[in-house]
Amino acid sequence: DAGVIQSPRHEVTEMGQEVTLRCKPISGHDYLFWYRQTMMRGLELLIYFNNNVPIDDSGMPEDRFSAKMPNASFSTLKIQPSEPRDSAVYFCASTLSLSGTQFFGPGTRLTVL
Amino acid sequence: KNEVEQSPQNLTAQEGEFITINCSYSVGISALHWLQQHPGGGIVSLFMLSSGKKKHGRLIATINIQEKHSSLHITASHPRDSAVYICAAQGGSEKLVFGKGTKLTVNP
Repeated sequence: DAGVIQSPRHEVTEMGQEVTLRCKPISGHDYLFWYRQTMMRGLELLIYFNNNVPIDDSGMPEDRFSAKMPNASFSTLKIQPSEPRDSAVYFCASTLSLSGTQFFGPGTRLTVL
Repeated sequence: KNEVEQSPQNLTAQEGEFITINCSYSVGISALHWLQQHPGGGIVSLFMLSSGKKKHGRLIATINIQEKHSSLHITASHPRDSAVYICAAQGGSEKLVFGKGTKLTVNP
């Protein structure tokens, strides 16, 4: 398996623009997580899905952030409109079960100017 | 106060030294995770443990549930061990709460 795939790897955009980050989990994994990593706050959980259904989105910072999982092999994290404080590395991870090891994607480094 | 505290924040060692990184947590947990983040940014899960001790190669992770404390040990450290090591507590909600990480540098 290729592991968790994220795209793009780097994104530079201007404040106010819409940003869409993409993730393909490992085939067969029922859980998908979106994390954000910043120097100040470290890694934080934004949202996670089980069988394509959002289970906990309490970490989503505000209404500008939205996430979808239309099928078992694809998820998106959208920021609209983007702000400079959204600059961070966004990781997607997947796992077979909540009690199992999480496998992380390579991350998307987002810079909002 | 962060629910998961790691120490030290930064650690520099000479090749061959024995390394210990500590993690304390304030919440009840179902499991404690240790992750490694390479200089290039990729994150790899090293251990997941809920009791006792686990060993993989030169890495050993221990946990004391009563004291709410876990340690990650590296024996015979090597420059390729240089990375950020992150512990994460998995609580009743099953979500991971992360420490800020320990940056380890092993000099040849």
